[in-house]
Amino acid sequence: GQNIDQPTEMTATEGAIVQINCTYQTSGFNGLFWYQQHAGEAPTFLSYNVLDGLEEKGRFSSFLSRSKGYSYLLLKELQMKDSASYLCAVRDPRGRGATNKLIFGTGTLLAVQP
Amino acid sequence: GAGVSQSPRYKVAKRGQDVALRCDPISGHVSLFWYQQALGQGPEFLTYFQNEAQLDKSGLPSDRFFAERPEGSVSTLKIQRTQQEDSAVYLCASSPERTQPQHFGDGTRLSIL
Repeated sequence: GQNIDQPTEMTATEGAIVQINCTYQTSGFNGLFWYQQHAGEAPTFLSYNVLDGLEEKGRFSSFLSRSKGYSYLLLKELQMKDSASYLCAVRDPRGRGATNKLIFGTGTLLAVQP
Repeated sequence: GAGVSQSPRYKVAKRGQDVALRCDPISGHVSLFWYQQALGQGPEFLTYFQNEAQLDKSGLPSDRFFAERPEGSVSTLKIQRTQQEDSAVYLCASSPERTQPQHFGDGTRLSIL
């Protein structure tokens, strides 16, 4: 089966650091993605991990442990504009044509407070 | 274009009507995906095109849903005899090829009355 879990909501303070966790149990795995989605807008690609370890990209970092089925997104120096939903997605290489479709979690709604 | 463009942004239809949703991917992107996003949920896969070939339609919820990409660029998702449970945001995403990160459009918010 396919199961991706992430917290529904989180609150953090401007300037602080927040870690959003994601655990997954999927039949296939070909990488894990994090997307940011503001209300009414398109999901925007943030990061991609296919090997274990930490990927850093400016204020955003993402970590993956394939053996534990676990990832986290770390946001540093939080800004008000970071208030959004953060979607964890596993790429599934199976299926006719090796689709590599994304299987998403329900998203974590992050509220950044002054 | 600069990004994935979808139209219309909003669509209201009466139950039983047919609707057509358009996606204009980033120029040159071979792979095109359609997803359905219910309120408060993550997107769910509907179908995948590589150029004009529909290689995976395993996520289409019923035979009322039909998608095409006849010339390998613009794609249309058609829903026949719409029902209230079809109300959702329909997202289109494209990528240079299937293993590259997908770039999403703003979606079409469909409301069935």
